[in-house]
Amino acid sequence: LAKTTQPISMDSYEGQEVNITCSHNNIATNDYITWYQQFPSQGPRFIIQGYKTKVTNEVASLFIPADRKSSTLSLPRVSLSDTAVYYCLVHSGNTPLVFGKGTRLSVIA
Amino acid sequence: NAGVTQTPKFQVLKTGQSMTLQCAQDMNHNSMYWYRQDPGMGLRLIYYSASEGTTDKGEVPNGYNVSRLNKREFSLRLESAAPSQTSVYFCATGYEQYFGPGTRLTVT
Repeated sequence: LAKTTQPISMDSYEGQEVNITCSHNNIATNDYITWYQQFPSQGPRFIIQGYKTKVTNEVASLFIPADRKSSTLSLPRVSLSDTAVYYCLVHSGNTPLVFGKGTRLSVIA
Repeated sequence: NAGVTQTPKFQVLKTGQSMTLQCAQDMNHNSMYWYRQDPGMGLRLIYYSASEGTTDKGEVPNGYNVSRLNKREFSLRLESAAPSQTSVYFCATGYEQYFGPGTRLTVT
């Protein structure tokens, strides 16, 4: 199972764009990159998933360079409600996910 | 369409007692998972079921058993609870891992 490394915490002001980078040096050819968001007292929630290049949905964008050894989750114009823990995972098929400690994002007014 | 439901929401046990955590999904997913999350930590996989009729150990299976009752239901059993099993337990289903609301278990 590919191991991921991401910052423990980040702070941002409201309205700014936040970029959280995740390293996954030993990602396998079949692996996808998936990001989850977790609010206190709730289960993680799927945000976005990608394999290569760029993926965008209504919540976030995911940038993956050609070597796929890292990925960056981009949250545009964050608000206080985006304060949460963000997890980066790499996995393939139905293999179990391995959650690290994630990145604790604090959005400040 | 309830998604993923877990019962109970809260439970307090004494050391040595047993209990079963229930998880049900109406999303027609083949795979189901049980995780635990300790305060300030990430989630750790206990057991998973890739499809009905199969179960496999995850990262921290000791002290737990599971049953994949049918495609909808996946239960987690603690045969003899220990204080180290105090945690929040999450069930998840499907490739994208849709999570339930969690069960907060305290073992005294």
